[in-house]
Amino acid sequence: GQQLNQSPQSMFIQEGEDVSMNCTSSSIFNTWLWYKQDPGEGPVLLIALYKAGELTSNGRLTAQFGITRKDSFLNISASIPSDVGIYFCAGQLPGTYKYIFGTGTRLKVLA
Amino acid sequence: GAGVSQSPSNKVTEKGKDVELRCDPISGHTALYWYRQRLGQGLEFLIYFQGNSAPDKSGLPSDRFSAERTGESVSTLTIQRTQQEDSAVYLCASSFSGEQYFGPGTRLTVT
Repeated sequence: GQQLNQSPQSMFIQEGEDVSMNCTSSSIFNTWLWYKQDPGEGPVLLIALYKAGELTSNGRLTAQFGITRKDSFLNISASIPSDVGIYFCAGQLPGTYKYIFGTGTRLKVLA
Repeated sequence: GAGVSQSPSNKVTEKGKDVELRCDPISGHTALYWYRQRLGQGLEFLIYFQGNSAPDKSGLPSDRFSAERTGESVSTLTIQRTQQEDSAVYLCASSFSGEQYFGPGTRLTVT
């Protein structure tokens, strides 16, 4: 079945550093969603991308929908301790309402 | 406004018992999704509703799992004859225009 490869799996960074993570697939997607999940809670939507090449920002977060429609990245600038959590990408399969989720990137920020 | 709510937040059950998990979506959201998240893992698609019909049940792991939805409102996920491998967090999300909004999840533990 379809798979989304998300990398890195985990990362430790210093407060103030920029962070980059990405999702890649052999399949094409119509929509990309990026989520953050804190322990014991449901994922919270950060950014939604609808068109190939689209670049969207939400505060310190920037995400792009890859031109091939098979990948997306998320950047976090000037990280702060509350950025700690697990970040998931999700891609919508064409012609369906079904989303495939990546395996997550666990981010830890060192103050 | 009110977000997606799920109940119970935690459920401990004995192997072999049936359980019912409930999801109240955001009012007006026509699409509703159920996912399973095992400890430390990503989200695994279970079933999708558009209104009260389920065009995609492909993720249900076995015939012990079933779900229904009343109109564009409440959904229940039922697991019959629970097994230890059913232990996970069950997440519900609702959507209107492609962006999925998640509830806090139900943590199911089968002993």
